[in-house]
Amino acid sequence: EVHLVESGGGLVQSGGSLRLSCAASGFTFSTYSMNWVRQAPGKGLEWVSYISGSGSTIYFADSVKGRFSISRDNAKNSLYLQMNSLRAEDTAVYYCARDRTTYYDGLTGYSANSFEYWGQGTLVTVSS
Amino acid sequence: DIVMTQSPDSLAVSLGERATINCKSSQSILYNSNNRNYLAWYQQKPGQPPKLLIYWASTRESGVPDRFSGSGSGTDFTLTISSLQAEDVAVYYCQQYYTNLITFGGGTKVEIK
Repeated sequence: EVHLVESGGGLVQSGGSLRLSCAASGFTFSTYSMNWVRQAPGKGLEWVSYISGSGSTIYFADSVKGRFSISRDNAKNSLYLQMNSLRAEDTAVYYCARDRTTYYDGLTGYSANSFEYWGQGTLVTVSS
Repeated sequence: DIVMTQSPDSLAVSLGERATINCKSSQSILYNSNNRNYLAWYQQKPGQPPKLLIYWASTRESGVPDRFSGSGSGTDFTLTISSLQAEDVAVYYCQQYYTNLITFGGGTKVEIK
């Protein structure tokens, strides 16, 4: 059974940093691209970042580009999101989400997948 | 970026009646080489993560009841709940994955009338 468990959320001051982790189990982690999606309190879903299975291809939403970084450790079945220069508008529940299939376009580095599995999320609160 | 616009923002439907949610993309998300629409629908209940219902605009995820169906192509899409059940009360989101900058619609809240 697939499990995704996020951790690392908490309260941080504006301008601070936080590192989120997502522990994966129940599937061959290295063969799936992964994503971070966030949801501000009472708001909709916002995709944040993508990383391919090998970690060679990475994308970010414009709202976090230059401030956030994404990485993975396939030996540890773990996904990470390093968040720097945090702002009040980064306050949200952060979910890690797994692609539905292992499909991956070697030319573009993009998997073009919907998200089949989601973790329960970890709350990040940025105080101003 | 592709903008996804859902309508309505909310709707109230009687038990057993049909619920229809619309989603419009700012550009076509139909990939001509494989004739697939890169659109998914998700259901999110309070305090839970989203759940994948539909992908490729009309393919139902395993285990999803057949009262849920997706249709549409190009820029206009619809999620239909043919006979609303109490457990379908939730917020529904569409998502395009046509580009590597993935975007979601704003969500539609479905309630019981």
